[in-house]
Amino acid sequence: GAVVSQHPSWVICKSGTSVKIECRSLDFQATTMFWYRQFPKQSLMLMATSNEGSKATYEQGVEKDKFLINHASLTLSTLTVTSAHPEDSSFYICSARDVLRIEPYEQYFGPGTRLTVT
Amino acid sequence: AQKVTQAQTEISVVEKEDVTLDCVYETRDTTYYLFWYKQPPSGELVFLIRRNSFDEQNEISGRYSWNFQKSTSSFNFTITASQVVDSAVYFCALRRFTSGGSYIPTFGRGTSLIVHP
Repeated sequence: GAVVSQHPSWVICKSGTSVKIECRSLDFQATTMFWYRQFPKQSLMLMATSNEGSKATYEQGVEKDKFLINHASLTLSTLTVTSAHPEDSSFYICSARDVLRIEPYEQYFGPGTRLTVT
Repeated sequence: AQKVTQAQTEISVVEKEDVTLDCVYETRDTTYYLFWYKQPPSGELVFLIRRNSFDEQNEISGRYSWNFQKSTSSFNFTITASQVVDSAVYFCALRRFTSGGSYIPTFGRGTSLIVHP
């Protein structure tokens, strides 16, 4: 149980275009999902926390107009990188929290999406 | 503020060697969770262990063992008889325990382990 999927697993897009990344909890309900960004050989950096049915909370320094997050259902959150630039190229990882589990709100990570902007 | 330090950026060993990955943390909380994750070249984070601050018992799982020392704020990870498949980046993470706190873990910078055949 507790599987999180991401789609696509990798994507190449041209500079100036937008790309949408989906994060799904496959076998549990996730009221909260998290989006991370990871540069090569770097640690995970939290970008935003996404709560179902409400606006996402962005970390300091993350442009909310550039990284649009929508969490429309208990199993799906999307991250849209708008007007992508080469510096947005990165590995994006989502995680989801299962509020029904007894463990202290454990997070389950998706496999990540590698974005390359040319 | 919380902080996790993994001082070893990269470790290179030969297969069958034992290797220890260091993790030192800082927190003002008296209760918290510590984690280790493995990130193979594919990128997916693999959960290895969670340890709460109440439990200082060391743990062994196959070739993996963890040494939690609250007195030195360390949570080190040892792989015994390393294998090529252990090659990955390993992250140590710290998370607050209380429901009123943040559920978001603080990650260390990771240690890249390379196991040569």
